[in-house]
Amino acid sequence: KAGVTQTPRYLIKTRGQQVTLSCSPISGHRSVSWYQQTPGQGLQFLFEYFSETQRNKGNFPGRFSGRQFSNSRSEMNVSTLELGDSALYLCASSLAQTNTGELFFGEGSRLTVL
Amino acid sequence: GENVEQHPSTLSVQEGDSAVIKCTYSDSASNYFPWYKQELGKGPQLIIDIRSNVGEKKDQRIAVTLNKTAKHFSLHITETQPEDSAVYFCAVSGGGSGGGADGLTFGKGTHLIIQP
Repeated sequence: KAGVTQTPRYLIKTRGQQVTLSCSPISGHRSVSWYQQTPGQGLQFLFEYFSETQRNKGNFPGRFSGRQFSNSRSEMNVSTLELGDSALYLCASSLAQTNTGELFFGEGSRLTVL
Repeated sequence: GENVEQHPSTLSVQEGDSAVIKCTYSDSASNYFPWYKQELGKGPQLIIDIRSNVGEKKDQRIAVTLNKTAKHFSLHITETQPEDSAVYFCAVSGGGSGGGADGLTFGKGTHLIIQP
């Protein structure tokens, strides 16, 4: 069974640009969550989608947005990039709608903002 | 919001010895406590979890204990092996007004080094 697939794995952008990251969950999983990982702040929750609806959003500015498609694939977008947005962006999928079950993480998309 | 503290940030143990990582949390309503292992270049992977109605859970060499009164939980790894070298994260969820929909709150991680 294929795991969570994230694309692209690595990308470099400059300040002010925007970026779109993609996540394909494990087949049958309808919940997709996104996390930002940095050395200083660790893993921080961005948002979660279930059946194309955003269930909750973490404490990030409106420049961070996402969506989920009918096939459960998800994208997240960051507009007007800042240097501090450099991070590993992790997508996780799960069977359940709640946050009390196993999350299956992808290998992440590493974003560098210059 | 929820606050999770994890200690130590780095732990070096001899192969075969035991390792213990501790986490404390702030929201007494939290009810789900997973531990994730992250190897270099990979995403975190769940290794064990515990819910608030259980005080201890064991899976082969790995165990987790939970003290809800003191709001802390610990990961215990016995008979450590080289492949246990990784970064370990504790996490908490289920508390707050979101009714569990607020995502996991992670600790800052522990870099476990197994010395041969």
